[in-house]
Amino acid sequence: DAKTTQPTSMDCAEGRAANLPCNHSTISGNEYVYWYRQIHSQGPQYIIHGLKNNETNEMASLIITEDRKSSTLILPHATLRDTAVYYCIVRGYLYSGGGADGLTFGKGTHLIIQP
Amino acid sequence: AAGVIQSPRHLIKEKRETATLKCYPIPRHDTVYWYQQGPGQDPQFLISFYEKMQSDKGSIPDRFSAQQFSDYHSELNMSSLELGDSALYFCASSPDLQTFFGQGTRLTVV
Repeated sequence: DAKTTQPTSMDCAEGRAANLPCNHSTISGNEYVYWYRQIHSQGPQYIIHGLKNNETNEMASLIITEDRKSSTLILPHATLRDTAVYYCIVRGYLYSGGGADGLTFGKGTHLIIQP
Repeated sequence: AAGVIQSPRHLIKEKRETATLKCYPIPRHDTVYWYQQGPGQDPQFLISFYEKMQSDKGSIPDRFSAQQFSDYHSELNMSSLELGDSALYFCASSPDLQTFFGQGTRLTVV
């Protein structure tokens, strides 16, 4: 799976949009971009994923550049409960003997929402 | 909605003992994963099962083994426990591209 690079930490004011960048310059054509977050010692939570088109769901938007070498996760109206470590993960939709491969978590971005 | 259930939530074991962690995936999810997260570390993938067969293998120590049963629940067995095995152990299940995590089992080895 391609390696990702994220800032170590970011601050955002409550009520503002939080924009979390991720570089994945070695991504290959069959690899998806996933975003998960982990709120202190809880199980990681799925946020969104995309292949090449921008995606939006009830939690966030995912903007993927045309060359797919980077992406941005957007939390449109951040709240204090969005304080967490956000992981950008690239994974191929490959089945090795059946089932998708495990997720490779990198260092992630510690997003702190300020009141 | 049903979530991934893990038991026990907390477990304390002594060095060289054996521990068994259980995971009950979300119904109709065909893939189960195990992850280990040490203190201050990021989650590390250990092993996965698809339709009860081992699917992918990560950094799982030889002292650990896992299996998935006919009812799709999975167990992670850890033997000869070491202090460094103290960690959060997450189970996750997936029907396709999304993966859903349980709340984890906190294992403390003393």
